[in-house]
Amino acid sequence: DQQVKQNSPSLSVQEGRISILNCDYTNSMFDYFLWYKKYPAEGPTFLISISSIKDKNEDGRFTVFLNKSAKHLSLHIVPSQPGDSAVYFCAATLGSGNTGKLIFGQGTTLQVKP
Amino acid sequence: NAGVMQNPRHLVRRRGQEARLRCSPMKGHSHVYWYRQLPEEGLKFMVYLQKENIIDESGMPKERFSAEFPKEGPSILRIQQVVRGDSAAYFCASSPYLKETQYFGPGTRLLVL
Repeated sequence: DQQVKQNSPSLSVQEGRISILNCDYTNSMFDYFLWYKKYPAEGPTFLISISSIKDKNEDGRFTVFLNKSAKHLSLHIVPSQPGDSAVYFCAATLGSGNTGKLIFGQGTTLQVKP
Repeated sequence: NAGVMQNPRHLVRRRGQEARLRCSPMKGHSHVYWYRQLPEEGLKFMVYLQKENIIDESGMPKERFSAEFPKEGPSILRIQQVVRGDSAAYFCASSPYLKETQYFGPGTRLLVL
């Protein structure tokens, strides 16, 4: 049962444009969401997170939006840069009493073309 | 502040051998998580440990796999009698407190021949 889904395996955008990566989840008990970026042969790098009590969080070029009613979150990167080319994973964690384990989506490969 | 360290980065084993994967968390972090990434898939939680204690091993196969995080030294993920299906990238993550952001190591890529 895939509780966190990234339905787009890949995305290609032009440098300078906006990249929008999407993530859907099924478990309404998730209370914290994160985005990680991963380069080949490296570990995931934390990008940005959002609590379920918020609907938006911004950090520089990265903004995460959360729509709880739709069980959907998205990561916006603007402007996109070639160095942003990587695999992006969204992850979620459950509320109180949970051990903090992350449940990951399958990942979306972003290619930013110069 | 050094990041999460994992070694070895690459490990090749023949079927039936043992694999030992090591993880040193970031300084000041006492919470360690292990994840596995099979080819073309996302990361899957395996086990969560605090110093000397296994807190949650719900994602770890019941047989052949074990984990520890001793008072001194790195956390160890041990796979006995490896099979080809164990070939994957194994990532360790650490956090300073429960439910704080987890920071990942570079991973160990295990190949079972």
